[in-house]
Amino acid sequence: AQRVTQPEKLLSVFKGAPVELKCNYSYSGSPELFWYVQYSRQRLQLLLRHISRESIKGFTADLNKGETSFHLKKPFAQEEDSAMYYCASKRVNKFYFGSGTKLNVKP
Amino acid sequence: ETGVTQTPRHLVMGMTNKKSLKCEQHLGHNAMYWYKQSAKKPLELMFVYNFKEQTENNSVPSRFSPECPNSSHLFLHLHTLQPEDSALYLCASSLPGVNEKLFFGSGTQLSVL
Repeated sequence: AQRVTQPEKLLSVFKGAPVELKCNYSYSGSPELFWYVQYSRQRLQLLLRHISRESIKGFTADLNKGETSFHLKKPFAQEEDSAMYYCASKRVNKFYFGSGTKLNVKP
Repeated sequence: ETGVTQTPRHLVMGMTNKKSLKCEQHLGHNAMYWYKQSAKKPLELMFVYNFKEQTENNSVPSRFSPECPNSSHLFLHLHTLQPEDSALYLCASSLPGVNEKLFFGSGTQLSVL
């Protein structure tokens, strides 16, 4: 079975500080990995996916097959980044989610 | 409301009640999902439907009974639930393919008394 692990339940940083939200996966084969975000009072939505190699709202995530990781990074956190972040993997059309990390960006 | 719509938003039921959760999408997607979100636990995949056919039942107890009459609608019928079934139930849909991604509803917050 696929597993996605997010070791941090809460991450607090000050505005302007770098942010790294950790995600590790256990999956044999070529994983498809995603980061989803849930802002306060909003529904869960896609932030970015590894196959696109994109930067969204200043966030990037690199797939590291050697470390089986897909950490989410942003060099300078903003207060509006405060939200719940979920790492997810996909096999066929089944998406498996981690337990989430709450990011709190303090002014 | 566009996207994925779930009703009701909140539901309180006793253990002997029978109720149904409804999910509707008009995004042209042909895959629909039920997830369970409990406090401090990962989102748990419950059921997956592709073109109205169930393709995944993730060892869900029979007191949860899904129904997918067409690609736009998904139901979750509930009966004789337990207090530990209290959770946020999320519906999602997707269009399988290279750029597949999930679109979520707002969820139904279920409390079983």
